[in-house]
Amino acid sequence: DAGVIQSPRHEVTEMGQEVTLRCKPISGHNSLFWYRQTMMRGLELLIYFNNNVPIDDSGMPEDRFSAKMPNASFSTLKIQPSEPRDSAVYFCASSPTGLRGELFFGEGSRLTVL
Amino acid sequence: LAKTTQPISMDSYEGQEVNITCSHNNIATNDYITWYQQFPSQGPRFIIQGYKTKVTNEVASLFIPADRKSSTLSLPRVSLSDTAVYYCLVVQGSTLTFGKGTMLLVSP
Repeated sequence: DAGVIQSPRHEVTEMGQEVTLRCKPISGHNSLFWYRQTMMRGLELLIYFNNNVPIDDSGMPEDRFSAKMPNASFSTLKIQPSEPRDSAVYFCASSPTGLRGELFFGEGSRLTVL
Repeated sequence: LAKTTQPISMDSYEGQEVNITCSHNNIATNDYITWYQQFPSQGPRFIIQGYKTKVTNEVASLFIPADRKSSTLSLPRVSLSDTAVYYCLVVQGSTLTFGKGTMLLVSP
């Protein structure tokens, strides 16, 4: 089992640029989560999909952030335009049990916005 | 909402048993309690999950009292490689929100 696969692992960009982070969940998992982690705020849930449908996006910071899940094997998190305060590690996680809490995380995408 | 509270940090020595307790006073009837381990530059890793009483796997044990307002993760005979941040997770409403976690430092 390859686990949750995220790309890119590292991204350095300039303020104002568009950033797209990608995630491939574990096959057969019906739930997908995007988290953001910073030293100051810890792990924050951004959005949660169940069966490819966004269920809760209340954690998405603002309209600059958007997430899609066009099919069961792929999701994207887009930031446009990016700002320095978006610098963080973004994790994707998938789960076979939805909100029951057994999440499998990817290695994360470290984003630095200059 | 089931807010979780854990100690910020704990210290231990190799070979000792470590118990990390998490408080979740407002846990809902159907909520499960899940613990994760996170190493630097890695995503959190699932350790164990339980609903009540005791659960044990090859890595840890999880003790949950009858009122379920707290839970204790027990790591038997820790090693240096167990140095990490440990999170307890309880569903809060319709979302999964992590607390601040406990930084466990294991020394020789």
